[in-house]
Amino acid sequence: EVQLVESGGGLVQPGRSLRLSCTASGFTFGDYAMSWVRQAPGKGLEWVGFIRSKAYGGTTEYAASVKGRFTISRDDSKSIAYLQMNSLKTEDTAVYYCTRDLTPWTTVPLFGYWGQGTLVTVSS
Amino acid sequence: EIVLTQSPATLSLSPGERATLSCRASQSVSSYLAWYQQKPGQAPRLLIYDASNRATGIPARFSGSGSGTDFTLTISSLEPEDFAVYYCQQRSNWPGTFGQGTKLEIK
Repeated sequence: EVQLVESGGGLVQPGRSLRLSCTASGFTFGDYAMSWVRQAPGKGLEWVGFIRSKAYGGTTEYAASVKGRFTISRDDSKSIAYLQMNSLKTEDTAVYYCTRDLTPWTTVPLFGYWGQGTLVTVSS
Repeated sequence: EIVLTQSPATLSLSPGERATLSCRASQSVSSYLAWYQQKPGQAPRLLIYDASNRATGIPARFSGSGSGTDFTLTISSLEPEDFAVYYCQQRSNWPGTFGQGTKLEIK
């Protein structure tokens, strides 16, 4: 069974940093691209970023709203994906979901599996 | 960036009725359109991908259709657990944008 467990959320002041982790199990982590999707309170879904598997170069893509501030990385030996968030703004307040692509060969994210989410609150 | 517009914003129906949800893209996304269901306090769940393919474990009462710019999610006979928010998402072009959602509520 595919499982994704996010951790690292919490309350942080504007301008500070936070790192989220996504621990995966139930599949060969290194074979799949991973994404982060967020949802502000009472709002819809917003794709944040994406990291390809090593087979597809391990490269990353980001939404314009976070590009230059957020960085996604992965440790295939530990089956963990990370979201490093710097220069946080109040508008980054959201539940952050870790997702796995449905298949190993998707080129644009298709969010086949989701974690339960972790809440990040950016406030002074 | 491709914009997805979902309609209606809210749909009020009774259990046993048929639900029809719409998603329109600002430009063609071919068949690269997915649907997700989100219940309160839960993560979204993939229902349909590539316009008409049901994801694993999704009941047959859920079906998707369409191509190009106009897509439909149909729930043939609503069960109590189907009342939720539904999002469409395109993966034709970067970034893979979402629609704003349709809330399906009990009438």
